[in-house]
Amino acid sequence: GAVVSQHPSRVICKSGTSVKIECRSLDFQATTMFWYRQFPKQSLMLMATSNEGSKATYEQGVEKDKFLINHASLTLSTLTVTSAHPEDSSFYICSAQDPGHRTYEQYFGPGTRLTVT
Amino acid sequence: AQRVTQPEKLLSVFKGAPVELKCNYSYSGSPELFWYVQYSRQRLQLLLRHISRESIKGFTADLNKGETSFHLKKPFAQEEDSAMYYCALSGTSYGKLTFGQGTILTVHP
Repeated sequence: GAVVSQHPSRVICKSGTSVKIECRSLDFQATTMFWYRQFPKQSLMLMATSNEGSKATYEQGVEKDKFLINHASLTLSTLTVTSAHPEDSSFYICSAQDPGHRTYEQYFGPGTRLTVT
Repeated sequence: AQRVTQPEKLLSVFKGAPVELKCNYSYSGSPELFWYVQYSRQRLQLLLRHISRESIKGFTADLNKGETSFHLKKPFAQEEDSAMYYCALSGTSYGKLTFGQGTILTVHP
């Protein structure tokens, strides 16, 4: 089946620094990837939709200048948390959509635990 | 606007008992409904989708457009079914998903 990887799996950074998270589709080309944020034992909140070769579409309330998304190739999307603060600490999950699948099924990465100190 | 509601945050049953995880949705068009499951320390994975009308791991879900519901059912719960379950809706052609709040299912021995 389709596999999506994320790197790193967990990262600790100091307040004010920037952190980049990578999301890769390993065995298929993903024209669309999604970035979610998940709080402990809570739902996934969609942050943005990342389309290869174009600007990301951000959900209402998500700061596009703080959460920079780049989808430079069909297998890689990156999320950069700029000037991170403790409130940005969370579990970030990406998913990739297989365009060859009629129902646009999303395949999820394992997530990245970000801790900002 | 599309919305998914899972009214139960926690659900506990004993092994062998029937289980039903409730999901209601709000969407003006014809949605695609999904159930995703997240086992402990594992990634989110698709359990089933309504258009497939399939049974996965003994679970089934029927889309009831009149009641705008997509409840997940299993006649005999197993301990390995313990997990977080998310109901999700896709209402657009490119498949953006809206997730419910999730239900933590615990199956006791």
